[in-house]
Amino acid sequence: DAGITQSPRHKVTETGTPVTLRCHQTENHRYMYWYRQDPGHGLRLIHYSYGVKDTDKGEVSDGYSVSRSKTEDFLLTLESATSSQTSVYFCAISESRTANTGELFFGEGSRLTVL
Amino acid sequence: SQQGEEDPQALSIQEGENATMNCSYKTSINNLQWYRQNSGRGLVHLILIRSNEREKHSGRLRVTLDTSKKSSSLLITASRAADTASYFCATDARDDKIIFGKGTRLHILP
Repeated sequence: DAGITQSPRHKVTETGTPVTLRCHQTENHRYMYWYRQDPGHGLRLIHYSYGVKDTDKGEVSDGYSVSRSKTEDFLLTLESATSSQTSVYFCAISESRTANTGELFFGEGSRLTVL
Repeated sequence: SQQGEEDPQALSIQEGENATMNCSYKTSINNLQWYRQNSGRGLVHLILIRSNEREKHSGRLRVTLDTSKKSSSLLITASRAADTASYFCATDARDDKIIFGKGTRLHILP
């Protein structure tokens, strides 16, 4: 299995509080992604990174920020959590963006509940 | 809006039967991938098909791609109880984004 660790795995917080989710990889893969998964919506891309300090927005980036200061860590921050951000968050990594590869490896998910 | 849309949303079949799921997408792609997700777990990659390929096999899996119709299908032959899961297609729309559909929930009945 690919070495991807998400932390925390479960978190309950209150509306208005900041939350940071961490994704740590030991594969030295260049690309890292944050997705959220909600019933009826499947997986939606929040932000992604194509290298250290190189990030870009996905489909549902409002209310989220990310940082990648090292190859192995990709942080997702909710500056002021809202109930609509209650979700399961998945980190994924990918080695390459060529047509021959591009397979994503997923972490086990972080379940966030905002009360 | 999402790039990929799977059809049907849910599918129940008897063990041993074949299961077919479809995916439609909107823009030109480099490749299309299929993933499986067991309940409460992360997604696992099943197969990748490139835009210049029409069909690909992996064990009991057969994937087709029709770029003119912007659609793909995943066929699982001789289904087993362990195939019960959600299945997602994901498209690479020629940038660094990989976009997923909403998934098909497959239930294999004993």
